[in-house]
Amino acid sequence: NAGVMQNPRHLVRRRGQEARLRCSPMKGHSHVYWYRQLPEEGLKFMVYLQKENIIDESGMPKERFSAEFPKEGPSILRIQQVVRGDSAAYFCASSQTDGLNTEAFFGQGTRLTVV
Amino acid sequence: DQQVKQNSPSLSVQEGRISILNCDYTNSMFDYFLWYKKYPAEGPTFLISISSIKDKNEDGRFTVFLNKSAKHLSLHIVPSQPGDSAVYFCAAISAGGTSYGKLTFGQGTILTVHP
Repeated sequence: NAGVMQNPRHLVRRRGQEARLRCSPMKGHSHVYWYRQLPEEGLKFMVYLQKENIIDESGMPKERFSAEFPKEGPSILRIQQVVRGDSAAYFCASSQTDGLNTEAFFGQGTRLTVV
Repeated sequence: DQQVKQNSPSLSVQEGRISILNCDYTNSMFDYFLWYKKYPAEGPTFLISISSIKDKNEDGRFTVFLNKSAKHLSLHIVPSQPGDSAVYFCAAISAGGTSYGKLTFGQGTILTVHP
């Protein structure tokens, strides 16, 4: 049973380009969370999605960032017109349910560097 | 507004001794607490958790203690091993709201266990 798969592992973008980060949850998991870790900081919640629904996007910047989790295929975190401040490690986590005691499993992350 | 705080950025311990990592929180709605371990260039991995109805949970060398009145929890590792060297994140889940699985992380503590 493969774990949470994120790709690419490393992504370099020039300022103004678009970044697309992909996350395939663990088999059987229908709940996906995206977190961002800025240098020297802990992980910050960005968005929580279920299949075809955004449940909580309170941690997403209001502009340039969007996320989706379609019925088929991976969850996508999309950053338009990237700026240097978007450079960070982006982690995806998935869980089987949204129950209080449900453990979330993390992917290895995508390290975005904006040059 | 840092709702989960790990005030010690780093901790250094001798192999075989006890490691104690501390975490404080401010949100009284937090009902479930987790510790994650993270190696460089990898995603966080779940270590141990505790529900707010308990004050202690033990799993092998790892024990988590929760003091609800003080809004404080700690992770004890005994005996510490060099392989335990990693960043440890404290995280909390709120029982209220719509995102039960949404994790609020502390900033992390770098544990170094010396042989």
